[in-house]
Amino acid sequence: DAGVTQSPTHLIKTRGQHVTLRCSPISGHKSVSWYQQVLGQGPQFIFQYYEKEERGRGNFPDRFSARQFPNYSSELNVNALLLGDSALYLCASRSVGAAKEKLFFGSGTQLSVL
Amino acid sequence: QQQVKQSPQSLIVQKGGISIINCAYENTAFDYFPWYQQFPGKGPALLIAIRPDVSEKKEGRFTISFNKSAKQFSLHIMDSQPGDSATYFCAASSLIYNQGGKLIFGQGTELSVKP
Repeated sequence: DAGVTQSPTHLIKTRGQHVTLRCSPISGHKSVSWYQQVLGQGPQFIFQYYEKEERGRGNFPDRFSARQFPNYSSELNVNALLLGDSALYLCASRSVGAAKEKLFFGSGTQLSVL
Repeated sequence: QQQVKQSPQSLIVQKGGISIINCAYENTAFDYFPWYQQFPGKGPALLIAIRPDVSEKKEGRFTISFNKSAKQFSLHIMDSQPGDSATYFCAASSLIYNQGGKLIFGQGTELSVKP
């Protein structure tokens, strides 16, 4: 079975631009979370989605938004990019049945803002 | 109160030695404590996890020790191998409040195992 897949793997943008990152969860997983990982630090929680509804939001500005689709895939959108948004963006999925606490991460999208 | 503090920041161990990484937390609502392993260019991979109703959990060469009263937990890697060289993150979550989708991560420990 395929793991969590994210696209694109790398992205270069300039300040002020908008970016959309995509995530496909593990088959059967209905919950998706997004994390930002700045170089040298642990991942920071951005959003959690379940059944297309936002179920949690971290301490990030309103420039960050996300949505989940009927097939449980998800998009993370970031508007008005700042240099400080340069980071690895990780998507994670989990089952909502047995072992629902186990979070599985994709390899991430490396975003560079110039 | 939401922080998880991890130490050391980096660790060098000889092949065959024991690697020990420590974490501390403040929020008593945390009830799930996983450890993740991350290689360069990859996302974190779940290594082992523990709930606060037990003091120790072992899976192969990896052991979590948990001290609920001290609000501390640690990862022990026995017989460390060069292939274990990676960055390790402890994390914590409140399954009651967010069912595991929201993890609070420590700052990470870069482990290097010398042959």
